[in-house]
Amino acid sequence: IQMTQSPSSLSASVGDTVTITCRAGQGIGNYVAWYQQRPGEAPKSLIFDASNLQSGVPSKFSGSRSGTDFTLTISSLQPEDFATYYCHQYNRYPYTFGQGTKLEIK
Amino acid sequence: QVQLVESGGGVVQPGGSLRLSCAASGIISGTFGSYGMNWVRQAPGKGLEWVAVISFDGSTTHYADSVTGRFTISRDNSKNTLFLQMNSLRDEDTAVYYCTKTVTRVLGYFDFWGQGTLVSVSS
Repeated sequence: IQMTQSPSSLSASVGDTVTITCRAGQGIGNYVAWYQQRPGEAPKSLIFDASNLQSGVPSKFSGSRSGTDFTLTISSLQPEDFATYYCHQYNRYPYTFGQGTKLEIK
Repeated sequence: QVQLVESGGGVVQPGGSLRLSCAASGIISGTFGSYGMNWVRQAPGKGLEWVAVISFDGSTTHYADSVTGRFTISRDNSKNTLFLQMNSLRDEDTAVYYCTKTVTRVLGYFDFWGQGTLVSVSS
């Protein structure tokens, strides 16, 4: 199942709100997760089942679904939020990830 | 807090073999065997690619097409350890390999990731 993630890169300022989108190639229900990866680190879980916040993750991160479109919204950007973000579908094998969105400081 | 620690990466020639391990700690005794486990890889400067999954009891496995027939995922629940046997390695297998824990017995997202181990296939 192809996951088309956009944009591939995004420039924003501290305090901004940004949105990242993934479109699934077919229906996958709510089986989408979002991960954050800072440079040199392993990915970290943020959102699961499209809109549920992983334990310990601040509420500035939120997820939503509309049909086969999935969105990650990050509000009130802080310096530690500038990283690469990936969507992941786990509806069926082979699991697939979006291409990633690199969020950079403007 | 669950910790996953990978080991076994290194430099290997094309056509060679390597066995990766992933030791889990911080899991209540006996519960490692309650969760599915996966391997995910990331080539240098590239995105994430799922490699393989094994069910909680080891009875079910699935692989990415790119590694089917060459890689084997297995686990030893008595030692809280996950493995990835990699044979017939190719240049394109060069990547950081992460082990990940699934929230359910098989299918599911990854709630914990290891720090990764680098595999470099080069002559």
